[in-house]
Amino acid sequence: EIVMTQSPATLSVSPGERATLSCRASQSVSSNLAWYQQKPGQAPRLLIYGASTRATGIPARFSGSGSGTEFTLTISSLQSEDFAVYYCQQYNNWPPYSFGQGTKLEIK
Amino acid sequence: EVQLVESGGGLVQPGGSLRLSCAASGFTFSSYWMSWVRQAPGKGLEWVANIKQDGSEKYYVDSVKGRFTISRDNAKNSLYLQMNSLRAEDTAVYYCARYDSSGANWFDPWGQGTLVTVSS
Repeated sequence: EIVMTQSPATLSVSPGERATLSCRASQSVSSNLAWYQQKPGQAPRLLIYGASTRATGIPARFSGSGSGTEFTLTISSLQSEDFAVYYCQQYNNWPPYSFGQGTKLEIK
Repeated sequence: EVQLVESGGGLVQPGGSLRLSCAASGFTFSSYWMSWVRQAPGKGLEWVANIKQDGSEKYYVDSVKGRFTISRDNAKNSLYLQMNSLRAEDTAVYYCARYDSSGANWFDPWGQGTLVTVSS
C-alpha cells in the first residue's frame, strides 16, 4: 500500500501571498496524483489531476507540479475563499487508493 | 448538472446493519466507475470501495472486506453500500463519488455525504 504524507499539517499565510503545499508518496506514483480542497461542512472538490492539470472551473492561481514521489500544490495569490483543507490522492496503484492526511491552510 | 445525493445514514448499534444509497443525475450513470469514500469526524479521507460500470468488478479497503458490499442499479441510476457488522470505527461521513471519464482514477464530483454513527 502506498502511503501519502503531506506537509505541513497546518500552513498560516496572509491573503494575497503564495502558499506551497507538499505531498510525498512512499513509492513512485508517476504523475497519477490528484489534489482536492475541502471547506468545513462541505464535500471535497477536485482541483488538480495528473499532478498538474486543473479541473474544470478551477482558477489559474492553483497549480500543481511534481512526479514520482514529490508533489507540490501552489496557490499563487491567496483569496479568502482558498482557506480550507487540502488533500492529495494517488491513483497509480490501487486498491487501495490512498489520501494524504491533509494540510489545513489558515489565515495568518 | 451532475449531482450525487446520498441517503440512508443514521445511528446504529455496534454489530448492526445499514444500507446507504446514492442517487445520481445529470450524467450517464452506467458509463462510470463509482466509489464510496468516508471521513471519520475530524479526520482525513479514506477510500472504502468501488464498482465498475457493469458491476463486474468490485474492490474494498481491507478494513471493510467481508462486512460491506457495494452494488449499483444502472436502471435506477443508483449506487448502494450495504454495511453489516458495524463497528465504532466505521463512524464517519460517507461520500458517494464518481470517477473520471477515462477510468477509475480521481474522484469528481462528490455527493454531500451522509453521516453514519455507530454507538450504543
